[in-house]
Amino acid sequence: AQKVTQAQTEISVVEKEDVTLDCVYETRDTTYYLFWYKQPPSGELVFLIRRNSFDEQNEISGRYSWNFQKSTSSFNFTITASQVVDSAVYFCALSGYTDKLIFGTGTRLQVFP
Amino acid sequence: AAGVIQSPRHLIKEKRETATLKCYPIPRHDTVYWYQQGPGQDPQFLISFYEKMQSDKGSIPDRFSAQQFSDYHSELNMSSLELGDSALYFCASSPRGKEGNTIYFGEGSWLTVV
Repeated sequence: AQKVTQAQTEISVVEKEDVTLDCVYETRDTTYYLFWYKQPPSGELVFLIRRNSFDEQNEISGRYSWNFQKSTSSFNFTITASQVVDSAVYFCALSGYTDKLIFGTGTRLQVFP
Repeated sequence: AAGVIQSPRHLIKEKRETATLKCYPIPRHDTVYWYQQGPGQDPQFLISFYEKMQSDKGSIPDRFSAQQFSDYHSELNMSSLELGDSALYFCASSPRGKEGNTIYFGEGSWLTVV
């Protein structure tokens, strides 16, 4: 069975702080894909990144970076120098043999000015 | 760039009524997914279609049905609506019906059942 765990329900930071959102996954598939989506208060789901199970290279995109570690089944997301516009719910998700997404329960990030 | 288009964006229905949500996938995407997100919940997979055929089914109630048409748009039909059906319904699309392709979501359709 596939499962995604986001243990942090809610995180509050002050602008310019760095923040890391944790994601731990379980799967028996040898090939799988990990995703992060952002859901701002307006409700839409915005794709941030996709990483396949064979690529453990970390990725950086502007203030965003992702750390994928198969040894600990984790795919953590760091926002550097957070901004108020980063306030949203962030979902980690997993797909495997079937391409449907299994979501974690989400982490609500609040960035205060 | 074109995104997934969903309509209507907001819908209010009474119990036992029927509702239909429409979805227009990103051009050249041949796979469509429907997800339901209850208040404070994560999105839950309902059903998917690849090349107009149902490809996978999740926790979709029997009162719900969906299909994908020849132009690749999809419709989710919900009958005998219950209060618990109030949720944000997402349609999503991906470029091919194989594992691992990025799934892009529409802005969602807010359904309120009163």
